Amino acid sequence: DGGITQSPKYLFRKEGQNVTLSCEQNLNHDAMYWYRQDPGQGLRLIYYSQIVNDFQKGDIAEGYSVSREKKESFPLTVTSAQKNPTAFYLCASSTLGTGLETQYFGPGTRLLVL
Amino acid sequence: QKEVEQNSGPLSVPEGAIASLNCTYSDRGSQSFFWYRQYSGKSPELIMSIYSNGDKEDGRFTAQLNKASQYVSLLIRDSQPSDSATYLCAVNDPSNSGYALNFGKGTSLLVTP
Repeated sequence: DGGITQSPKYLFRKEGQNVTLSCEQNLNHDAMYWYRQDPGQGLRLIYYSQIVNDFQKGDIAEGYSVSREKKESFPLTVTSAQKNPTAFYLCASSTLGTGLETQYFGPGTRLLVL
Repeated sequence: QKEVEQNSGPLSVPEGAIASLNCTYSDRGSQSFFWYRQYSGKSPELIMSIYSNGDKEDGRFTAQLNKASQYVSLLIRDSQPSDSATYLCAVNDPSNSGYALNFGKGTSLLVTP
């Protein structure tokens, strides 16, 4: 089955800890994205990548880091600098071309702070 | 500030009625428009995409776009209780390479039996 997988489904972070959220896709998509969703809010863009070894900051990149070493994978690290990390994190992917491409979402990771 | 505005609701309609969801956006350069459905605790799933002015129909769903008024809407005919969810309007962001999306906060729809 083609799709986007995210793991873990739930993640607990202790004070001062860095945690990494996994995102993998087998859709052969070039572009991948990370969004954050807070309760009752829309999705906000954290980082996106259009090609391996390249990525750009979104609207709320502070306290987060990413890497894109493989086309299929786009992990997100929530660092200790992110003071309010509790949220629902969504990974998405799309093809590239005209800018009209649809983004498809993974199932999400819910991050909670202990 | 790039904005995508939606009425948060909840919008309550009886089963079998037409549900009308509205969205306005601020960036005139936007070219692609999407409606996603999100059930509680789940990730968004695509309902409709629209790129040209006018109507686009897919089954019980119709998306309407008016770029001059910067307005996009979603009509759901013969609403079913299973349509109860939050509907997110998304618009591409030309300033972010054109591929990133700006999302509204969503409209909560409740279809009552």
